Amino acid sequence: AQTVTQSQPEMSVQEAETVTLSCTYDTSESNYYLFWYKQPPSRQMILVIRQEAYKQQNATENRFSVNFQKAAKSFSLKISDSQLGDTAMYFCACNANTGNQFYFGTGTSLTVIP
Amino acid sequence: KAGVTQTPRYLIKTRGQQVTLSCSPISGHRSVSWYQQTPGQGLQFLFEYFSETQRNKGNFPGRFSGRQFSNSRSEMNVSTLELGDSALYLCASSFLPGQGASEKLFFGSGTQLSVL
Repeated sequence: AQTVTQSQPEMSVQEAETVTLSCTYDTSESNYYLFWYKQPPSRQMILVIRQEAYKQQNATENRFSVNFQKAAKSFSLKISDSQLGDTAMYFCACNANTGNQFYFGTGTSLTVIP
Repeated sequence: KAGVTQTPRYLIKTRGQQVTLSCSPISGHRSVSWYQQTPGQGLQFLFEYFSETQRNKGNFPGRFSGRQFSNSRSEMNVSTLELGDSALYLCASSFLPGQGASEKLFFGSGTQLSVL
């Protein structure tokens, strides 16, 4: 089994500033994927970014990037130039060859302040 | 292309009743998964269906069950509702099992169930 821990229940950031959300995970598998999902008030989960464990290079998607520290089992999300539309719940998740069974953290509620 | 559709959006039931939630995956998707989301617990995997067969099941009591039809639509059922079953139930689909990780998992907007 896998476990995912998000230790920051709530965070806030000023518009246009940078914020980092933390996530640690644990798995005994050697091949796995890590994800950050965003859940706005509409409730629909939206994939923000994905990292394959065997890739050493950190994934980036426009203003979103990750800091993947495999040995430390850490997977943080950095949001640059924060926008009001980034206000949402953010979930970190892990999948290790378990079909579509993902293991999610408890989430971080991010508020972007104008 | 329509997204993952879940009905109803909101549901209120009383303890002891049973409830059925519906999920229509994206056209062509054959894998459907269900998750329970509660405040402070995050999302917890319930089960995954592919080609009308349950492939995987999470750690939930037998009161939680599901099924998938030949058109890939899925339903989940909760019998003898308890207060703790109040949650947002999310459905997700992908073309094949496992492609939610290697490709993308598409989520619906969920059914908010309140048990009184």
